[in-house]
Amino acid sequence: AQSVAQPEDQVNVAEGNPLTVKCTYSVSGNPYLFWYVQYPNRGLQFLLKYITGDNLVKGSYGFEAEFNKSQTSFHLKKPSALVSDSALYFCAVIPTSGTYKYIFGTGTRLKVLA
Amino acid sequence: EAQVTQNPRYLITVTGKKLTVTCSQNMNHEYMSWYRQDPGLGLRQIYYSMNVEVTDKGDVPEGYKVSRKEKRNFPLILESPSPNQTSLYFCASTLTSGTHYEQYFGPGTRLTVT
Repeated sequence: AQSVAQPEDQVNVAEGNPLTVKCTYSVSGNPYLFWYVQYPNRGLQFLLKYITGDNLVKGSYGFEAEFNKSQTSFHLKKPSALVSDSALYFCAVIPTSGTYKYIFGTGTRLKVLA
Repeated sequence: EAQVTQNPRYLITVTGKKLTVTCSQNMNHEYMSWYRQDPGLGLRQIYYSMNVEVTDKGDVPEGYKVSRKEKRNFPLILESPSPNQTSLYFCASTLTSGTHYEQYFGPGTRLTVT
C-alpha cells in the first residue's frame, strides 16, 4: 500500500536552533512531494514542493526540504527556528501513476521553545 | 482574492439528518477534493474530482456523496450522518498542470453528529 510516514508526533526545539521534521514515503513511480503547515484553528497552507529538478527546494518562511530518492525521504528543515513556527506540519505525496490521490502523513507538531 | 470557501464553518446535527457542506473556489482549478482530519490519523481523502462531472473515491468514501456540476463548486453530502462522522472537514482545490499540484485549502468545517 502506498503511504507517507511522519515518525515523530512532536518535535521540540529551542528558538534559534535548527529544526528538522522527518517524512518518508512509499509510493510507486516518481512522486510529487509537498509540505503543508496548519496553525491553530486554520486551514492548511502550502509551504513547499518537489516536482522535478534540484533535490533541495526552498519554500515559504525560510523552510527548505531535501528530496532523497534512495532513502525515499523528504525532510523539512529550517536553519533557525522561531517561536512563530510552532504549528502542525503535514507531509503529502501524489504518486505519478495517474490517480491523483493525495496521500498525507499523520502530522508532526512542532513546538519552538523561547 | 484567490480562495476556497466552505460553509458552514461549524455544524452540530443529529444522527440521520441529511446535511450538505458547500465548497467553492475562484481560481478556475480543475481538481477539487474533500478531506477529513482526525487526531492521530492526519488528513484522509474522502472524494476528489478531476473536473466537471468527474468524481472518484478517496480512501474513506463510505457515508459521503459528492457532485461536481460546475467547475467552481464541490459540495459534500452526508445523507444520513452518524457519530463516527464527527470530524474536521477540509475542501481543497488544485491546478493540475505544469509544475503546480499544490493544494489550496478552505478554512475547514467542524461537524459534530450527536
